[in-house]
Amino acid sequence: EDKVVQSPLSLVVHEGDTVTLNCSYEVTNFRSLLWYKQEKKAPTFLFMLTSSGIEKKSGRLSSILDKKELSSILNITATQTGDSAIYLCAMGGGSNYKLTFGKGTLLTVNP
Amino acid sequence: GAVVSQHPSRVICKSGTSVKIECRSLDFQATTMFWYRQFPKQSLMLMATSNEGSKATYEQGVEKDKFLINHASLTLSTLTVTSAHPEDSSFYICSARERRTGGFQPQHFGDGTRLSIL
Repeated sequence: EDKVVQSPLSLVVHEGDTVTLNCSYEVTNFRSLLWYKQEKKAPTFLFMLTSSGIEKKSGRLSSILDKKELSSILNITATQTGDSAIYLCAMGGGSNYKLTFGKGTLLTVNP
Repeated sequence: GAVVSQHPSRVICKSGTSVKIECRSLDFQATTMFWYRQFPKQSLMLMATSNEGSKATYEQGVEKDKFLINHASLTLSTLTVTSAHPEDSSFYICSARERRTGGFQPQHFGDGTRLSIL
């Protein structure tokens, strides 16, 4: 059974701090790893990673995949209160494009 | 681009009522749509995969007769919760995968429907 584990489950930081969120996975047929940000409503897409060692970057957010270690990290630098959200890691595997989600990391950024 | 619209955003109704939720891809064609359920402080749980023009594929433990899914066109899928009971109260979210060749595409999510059964 495919499995995605995220850590930590929750994190409280101050504005300006840098955070690293972790995601590890077990999957029989890896296709991609995705990161989403969920605030009050539904998740918004951040990154999709398919190749190991290639960093994807968008502003203060970046992510990288390590297929050897079966893991990925999401970095957020110079955090702002608007970064407060649940960050979800999801694994895409198999031929039917299903995603298996981790439980998420609840990030709280205090002013 | 890649906007998914879900309607309604909130439903409050009496036990025994059937509730229909619509999921539309506004600016792309979606061969496949997905329906999730999310309980408070928990992650998304996939209920079923909806393929245009064919029957939905349900995850283990999800009752097909309870949660009816129809994907009649490349831009619309509907989830009907039949004879809803209080235990069906939850946050239901749909997502759509863009119809495109060449590998895995990310799913784009609607804003969700909060269903409350009294």
